[in-house]
Amino acid sequence: EPEVTQTPSHQVTQMGQEVILRCVPISNHLYFYWYRQILGQKVEFLVSFYNNEISEKSEIFDDQFSVERPDGSNFTLKIRSTKLEDSAMYFCASSRDFSGANVLTFGAGSRLTVL
Amino acid sequence: AQSVAQPEDQVNVAEGNPLTVKCTYSVSGNPYLFWYVQYPNRGLQFLLKYITGDNLVKGSYGFEAEFNKSQTSFHLKKPSALVSDSALYFCAVRDGTGGFKTIFGAGTRLFVKA
Repeated sequence: EPEVTQTPSHQVTQMGQEVILRCVPISNHLYFYWYRQILGQKVEFLVSFYNNEISEKSEIFDDQFSVERPDGSNFTLKIRSTKLEDSAMYFCASSRDFSGANVLTFGAGSRLTVL
Repeated sequence: AQSVAQPEDQVNVAEGNPLTVKCTYSVSGNPYLFWYVQYPNRGLQFLLKYITGDNLVKGSYGFEAEFNKSQTSFHLKKPSALVSDSALYFCAVRDGTGGFKTIFGAGTRLFVKA
């Protein structure tokens, strides 16, 4: 069964450092997403991406965040200058289409710890 | 704005007993409703969805969910729980009027005791 893969599984970084989280979506999917989950809290939408541009973003997704699809397979989330409150589990997801009924396929997540 | 509430942090049930995990939602248009499950060290996995039609939808692993428009609820159910059902369950909603985001609840941890 096709999977969404994420790397690294866990990253520890110092406050103020840049972090890049990587994702390989399912190959025939066209829509890509990042979500995050702060420990014990809800899964929060960050951004959706289609046709090489952001289609929607939340208020969490400020200028410190950026996404990119540098090649035909990878989808990355960059945090420019990490803050303590960025510590969370970050999930990448993809879907085949944009219909309201679309199902998201998630990766296993990247745990980010900011010290 | 869309929102989802899962009022229980944890649900405990004995193996073989029926289980219910509660979810209520708020959307401005017709809702698309989903349940996802997360096992340890895994991503969220799709269980079932309601788009339109019958209020009772059936999904993977014997789970089902009942859509109740008047109560704006979409509770997850299973007639007979298994220990292997123990996991974290997320209810999610997507606004039928458009937009790209699916909104998730805080999750409910289901613990099934043998």
